[in-house]
Amino acid sequence: AIVLNQSPSSIIASQGEKVTITCRASSSISSNYLHWYQQKPGAFPKLVIYSTSYRASGVPSRFSGSGSGTSYSFTISRVEAEDVATYYCQQGSSNPYTFGAGTKLELK
Amino acid sequence: QVQLKETGPGLVQPTQTLSITCTVSGFSLTSYYMQWVRQTPGKGLEWMGFIRSGGSTEYNSEFKSRLSISRDTSKNQVFLKMNSLKTEDTGVYYCARGGYYGYNYFDYWGQGVMVTVSS
Repeated sequence: AIVLNQSPSSIIASQGEKVTITCRASSSISSNYLHWYQQKPGAFPKLVIYSTSYRASGVPSRFSGSGSGTSYSFTISRVEAEDVATYYCQQGSSNPYTFGAGTKLELK
Repeated sequence: QVQLKETGPGLVQPTQTLSITCTVSGFSLTSYYMQWVRQTPGKGLEWMGFIRSGGSTEYNSEFKSRLSISRDTSKNQVFLKMNSLKTEDTGVYYCARGGYYGYNYFDYWGQGVMVTVSS
């Protein structure tokens, strides 16, 4: 199985700050198959970015993604209070499709 | 609009079988893959398997021997059945729709059903 290592495991950021999360895969993945989700406390995961860099419907432009091969990143250009959540990367390249362990974003 | 809703038992005894129904609206099961994902305290988010728009299935080998996914397109329902439950299977079970472009992402999710495996 492809293991996805996310870092950091938690971030404390101020409103307006830029934050970046990294996702490293144990094997190379086509960029079409790397995705990011946001999960707010008590809620289901919500698709934010698919295929490395495409924002899902309704997602604000402050969210972006990039990467290739085994190294991917997810960025919030200016954190807002509503962005407090846990963020997960996920690969759909090979069965079993796997998720990272998550990065918890909190506000300072 | 697209909606998914899981219904299930809440509490299941060890060694018994879990049955969850996912009822969808706003799209056709014959046009999209339907996925099952669970979230447990021990392993986090885990993909379990899917049923293709054509009706064939694929499973995570972690569950393959005890998991079955099926559907009734006339009722817009997808079913998960997993047998031989253990306490480690306690968690939230989600159905999700496979994304339009393939690539095995999940663009819409149900609210999830909490399942506790306990005697």
